Amino acid sequence: GESVGLHLPTLSVQEGDNSIINCAYSNSASDYFIWYKQESGKGPQFIIDIRSNMDKRQGQRVTVLLNKTVKHLSLQIAATQPGDSAVYFCAETRRASGTYKYIFGTGTRLKVLA
Amino acid sequence: DTAVSQTPKYLVTQMGNDKSIKCEQNLGHDTMYWYKQDSKKFLKIMFSYNNKELIINETVPNRFSPKSPDKAHLNLHINSLELGDSAVYFCASSQWDRASNGYTFGSGTRLTVV
Repeated sequence: GESVGLHLPTLSVQEGDNSIINCAYSNSASDYFIWYKQESGKGPQFIIDIRSNMDKRQGQRVTVLLNKTVKHLSLQIAATQPGDSAVYFCAETRRASGTYKYIFGTGTRLKVLA
Repeated sequence: DTAVSQTPKYLVTQMGNDKSIKCEQNLGHDTMYWYKQDSKKFLKIMFSYNNKELIINETVPNRFSPKSPDKAHLNLHINSLELGDSAVYFCASSQWDRASNGYTFGSGTRLTVV
């Protein structure tokens, strides 16, 4: 079936270090990508997005990089904090039936060590 | 103030029972979704409604029947529950024809079938 990022790895980082979470997507026709953060017991929350005509976008403490050549997306978190501990999902967006359909990866668990 | 609210948050039921999950959004969005998240955190779209019209219907057993009485509500009814239906079900909403900023998710309904 359709998939983005087949594995659920765990990334452990020391508080204050930078984190890099990677994601591979499957469809070169996808034109919009989003990173979501899911904390325990909550729904996914939007972090940052990027369109396919860009290769980098920065937010507050987060940067998303897009490499369309190898269909790779990454999320960089600067100065990782305990509150960043969560599961992070990338999602690619394709237009389907007149609306946008998101295909989610399986996620990466980020553990921040004190 | 909750943007997308689901009820109940937890649901424990026996195999063979019929149950419903309700979802309401107060964002003025016209498109709503149901996603299923399995034990490995994989998020998969089940249904999408736009202005009460079904627009995305993935390969889901016909025991699952969504109902949208208006564009602010999308309920999910499940007949003859099976053990494999145990998962967290997320409702989400977005504005038609706008992928920007992604979905707004509810906090999920954890369904446990025993």
